[in-house]
This record gives sequence, C-alpha cells and structure tokens, in this order.
Amino acid sequence: QKEVEQNSGPLSVPEGAIASLNCTYSDRGSQSFFWYRQYSGKSPELIMFIYSNGDKEDGRFTAQLNKASQYVSLLIRDSQPSDSATYLCAVIEEKKSSGDKLTFGTGTRLAVRP
Amino acid sequence: NAGVTQTPKFRILKIGQSMTLQCAQDMNHNYMYWYRQDPGMGLKLIYYSVGAGITDKGEVPNGYNVSRSTTEDFPLRLELAAPSQTSVYFCASSYSNTGGSYNEQFFGPGTRLTVL
Repeated sequence: QKEVEQNSGPLSVPEGAIASLNCTYSDRGSQSFFWYRQYSGKSPELIMFIYSNGDKEDGRFTAQLNKASQYVSLLIRDSQPSDSATYLCAVIEEKKSSGDKLTFGTGTRLAVRP
Repeated sequence: NAGVTQTPKFRILKIGQSMTLQCAQDMNHNYMYWYRQDPGMGLKLIYYSVGAGITDKGEVPNGYNVSRSTTEDFPLRLELAAPSQTSVYFCASSYSNTGGSYNEQFFGPGTRLTVL
C-alpha cells in the first residue's frame, strides 16, 4: 500500500519567517510530487509540483525533492497570515493512460502569527 | 468557465437512504475523479473516469457507484447510506494528454454529507 506521511502540526511560525513542510513517501516508483493548499472549508488548490531531484522555485514557494531519501518538502519564505492553511502532499506513481491517480498525505496545518 | 461544479453543497441523510452527488465540468477535461475527505485526513480516491463510458475503482469504492455518460458529468451514487460515509466529497477533473506531462487536477467546492 502506497503511503504518504506528513506531520499533522500545527506548525506555527511568525510572520516573515520561513515555514518548512515535510513529506515522505513509501513507493520508490513515485514519479511526480505535488503540494496542495487547502483553506478551512474549501477545496484543495495546486501550488507546486516537482518531478526532478533538487529544488524548484515559484515566487515565495520552493519545492525540494530527494528521491533517494524519498522525501519532498515545501519552503514558504516571508510567511504571511494568508498562508495559514493545511498543506497536502500528494504523489503519483507514474503517468498512465488509466488516469493520474493521486495519493494524498493527511496534511500539515500551518499557522502564521502576525 | 464555471470550472468544476458540485451539488448539493450540504446534505443530511438517514441510514439506509440513497442519493446522488452531482459533478459537472465545462473545461472539456477527459479525466474526472471522486475523492472523500474525512476530518483531519487527506483525500482518498473513490472512483475515477478517463472518458465517457469508462470508469474504474479507486482506493475506497465500497458503497458507491458512478457513471460517465458524457464528458461533462460524473455523478456519484450512494446506495444504503451508512454513518461511515459521513465525509466531505470532492469531485475533480483534469485534461490528460499522451505527452507524459502531468496536468493539474481542478477541484469542485465539495459536498458535505452527514449520515445519521
């Protein structure tokens, strides 16, 4: 059974700090990795995806992937109160014609203190 | 575009009742998905479809059925509702090509279902 593990938190950081969110996965065959943000009572929205080892930056967000160690992380620089949400890590084993089935972690709740 | 729409937003069912959760998308996406999210948990895939007339089971299909007669619609049917089906249900869709790249899954606003 594929597993995606996240610390449920809450992770509390002061405004302006760097928030670091971590995720580990069990299936070595996993190819694609995603971070979704979910505000309370709302649906998930994609904020980052990464395929290759190393870092990928998009604005204040950086995704880091280490396939050898089977972890993926999300860094949020200059954290803002509006970043307070649950961050879901998700994994696809491989791209198949049978559908892009995501396996989600349970999410990490981030609270940014003004 | 309205994106992915779901109805109803909220519903309370009694044990043993049945209902259909509606999902529609106007983005001409070929892939559609149903997930459930229990409190404090991640999303679990119930069923998915890669095109009209084609559906397949996900991780937690028991107690549910789906159909996909058109590209736009992907209803989820609950037969004989049980308290264990109390959850938030999300429908999602994506466009998938054969080029090997991943295309974003867009989520609907969700249906909050309580079975008493």
